[in-house]
Amino acid sequence: KAGVTQTPRYLIKTRGQQVTLSCSPISGHRSVSWYQQTPGQGLQFLFEYFSETQRNKGNFPGRFSGRQFSNSRSEMNVSTLELGDSALYLCASYLTDRDSTEAFFGQGTRLTVV
Amino acid sequence: KQEVTQIPAALSVPEGENLVLNCSFTDSAIYNLQWFRQDPGKGLTSLLLIQSSQREQTSGRLNASLDKSSGRSTLYIAASQPGDSATYLCSTDSWGKLQFGAGTQVVVTP
Repeated sequence: KAGVTQTPRYLIKTRGQQVTLSCSPISGHRSVSWYQQTPGQGLQFLFEYFSETQRNKGNFPGRFSGRQFSNSRSEMNVSTLELGDSALYLCASYLTDRDSTEAFFGQGTRLTVV
Repeated sequence: KQEVTQIPAALSVPEGENLVLNCSFTDSAIYNLQWFRQDPGKGLTSLLLIQSSQREQTSGRLNASLDKSSGRSTLYIAASQPGDSATYLCSTDSWGKLQFGAGTQVVVTP
């Protein structure tokens, strides 16, 4: 059974550019969440999607956005990149919504903004 | 707002010694508590999930306990091995939003 797949694994972008990251959840999982991990702030919640609807959002500026498609794959977009956006972006998938269930994470996308 | 704290921040033990990692949280209204392992530059690997109604979970050399009333969880790793060297993170789940501690960096020396 395939795990959570995140693409690309590594990205280097210039300040001011925009970037799109992709996450394919485990087959059958309908909920996807995104997290940002930095050495200074640790793991921080970005947003959660279930059945193409955003149900929960963290405290990030509007430059961070996401969406989920009908096949549960999710993308997150960061516009007008800043140096501080350099981080490991992690995606997690869940089997069901709101039940007490296990989160499975992908390997992450390492974004470097120069 | 949920605050999750992990103590100690770092731990170094000789091979064969048992590991005890602590996690505390401020809001007991959680769905579950999950322990993860993270190797440098990698994603998170789920180790154990404890449902809010459970007191502990075991998998091989790993055992995790949960005391919601006191806001604490402990991860025990028996007979540590060099391959156990990693950062261990605990997280609480409230309505699909995971709140993580800063992690405990573990080094097991041969």
